[in-house]
Amino acid sequence: TQLLEQSPQFLSIQEGENLTVYCNSSSVFSSLQWYRQEPGEGPVLLVTVVTGGEVKKLKRLTFQFGDARKDSSLHITAAQPGDTGLYLCAGGPLRYTGNQFYFGTGTSLTVIP
Amino acid sequence: NAGVTQTPKFQVLKTGQSMTLQCAQDMNHEYMSWYRQDPGMGLRLIHYSVGAGITDQGEVPNGYNVSRSTTEDFPLRLLSAAPSQTSVYFCASSYGGRGAEQYFGPGTRLTVT
Repeated sequence: TQLLEQSPQFLSIQEGENLTVYCNSSSVFSSLQWYRQEPGEGPVLLVTVVTGGEVKKLKRLTFQFGDARKDSSLHITAAQPGDTGLYLCAGGPLRYTGNQFYFGTGTSLTVIP
Repeated sequence: NAGVTQTPKFQVLKTGQSMTLQCAQDMNHEYMSWYRQDPGMGLRLIHYSVGAGITDQGEVPNGYNVSRSTTEDFPLRLLSAAPSQTSVYFCASSYGGRGAEQYFGPGTRLTVT
């Protein structure tokens, strides 16, 4: 069982549609990050949220950190083919343990032109 | 700046063989980590280091060994390769601490037959 569960695991939508990806845990994190990964490459950071209830916007992407700092969501408005990729959430450090960062199970997004 | 580099990019091993995956970074980051990525499981932490001479286990450390003799290098050793270790391995580095961005290498695709 992984610490961070993402849903859905796969998402295929038409260009112009909206979508939301969820990242859930029963643990409390000091911060939560979202990464995007292209095939054959390492993940690249999109955003970091550190305060419960925090909302950040990056162009058409909106990120929210849950009030209890256990969950997060990523909302994409008017998806474009360039948004295609694997989206990963990552949380850490946990409140009472070291420096470990834990990654979610990932959401593979395909945007069809 | 080369960022985070990993070698080799691809490797095929027979069961029982040993090998070392190399990772180096030129950003003077204290925190380095190794992850493995398997389909449907996101990234799982193998080992990490918060500075030269200091290493600790992650979620899935069995069958792997690490050392950190310098700030720049963080090699991962497979002691006796098993088919279950077939995966894509990523090395990452960061300044460490709450919310710090992790920079990833391009990955090593390992197949154990």
